[in-house]
Amino acid sequence: EPEVTQTPSHQVTQMGQEVILRCVPISNHLYFYWYRQILGQKVEFLVSFYNNEISEKSEIFDDQFSVERPDGSNFTLKIRSTKLEDSAMYFCASRGDQETQYFGPGTRLLVL
Amino acid sequence: QKEVEQDPGPLSVPEGAIVSLNCTYSNSAFQYFMWYRQYSRKGPELLMYTYSSGNKEDGRFTAQVDKSSKYISLFIRDSQPSDSATYLCAMAPPGGFYFGSGTKLNVKP
Repeated sequence: EPEVTQTPSHQVTQMGQEVILRCVPISNHLYFYWYRQILGQKVEFLVSFYNNEISEKSEIFDDQFSVERPDGSNFTLKIRSTKLEDSAMYFCASRGDQETQYFGPGTRLLVL
Repeated sequence: QKEVEQDPGPLSVPEGAIVSLNCTYSNSAFQYFMWYRQYSRKGPELLMYTYSSGNKEDGRFTAQVDKSSKYISLFIRDSQPSDSATYLCAMAPPGGFYFGSGTKLNVKP
């Protein structure tokens, strides 16, 4: 069964450093998403991406964040200058024509 | 007012019990309603999705949507210890995807 994959599974970085989180969506999906979940809190929408551009973004998705689909398979989230409060689990999701989204296993980011 | 409200629990039931999980929402524009299961430190796993008001059944799971009351439910019959997880309701569209805070369920053997 096709699935969304994410790398790395864990990332530890120093405050102020840039990180890139990678996702490989399900191959025939066209809509891509990033979410984050701070430990013990709810899953929060960050951004949606379709046709090589951002279609929606939340208030959380400020100028330090960017997304890119550098090739036909990868979908990345870049955090330019990480802050302590960026520590969270980051989930990628993708969908086809239906609204149901399929989630990856997540990347646990720890900013020290 | 939050877009989606969900009782965080925890909810503890004996094995074999019927479990009822609920969410309320405020945005009448929501059209798709989903239930996800999330095990600790894992990504949400889609359980069921519905589009219209009414019931949808899949094995031991039944999803119910009442758009007039802005209320959705997930029923689990014959609950098993392996059902112990956090259950998230989610709704879409417009503009992204809105999750409830999740209800932590513990099914005791």
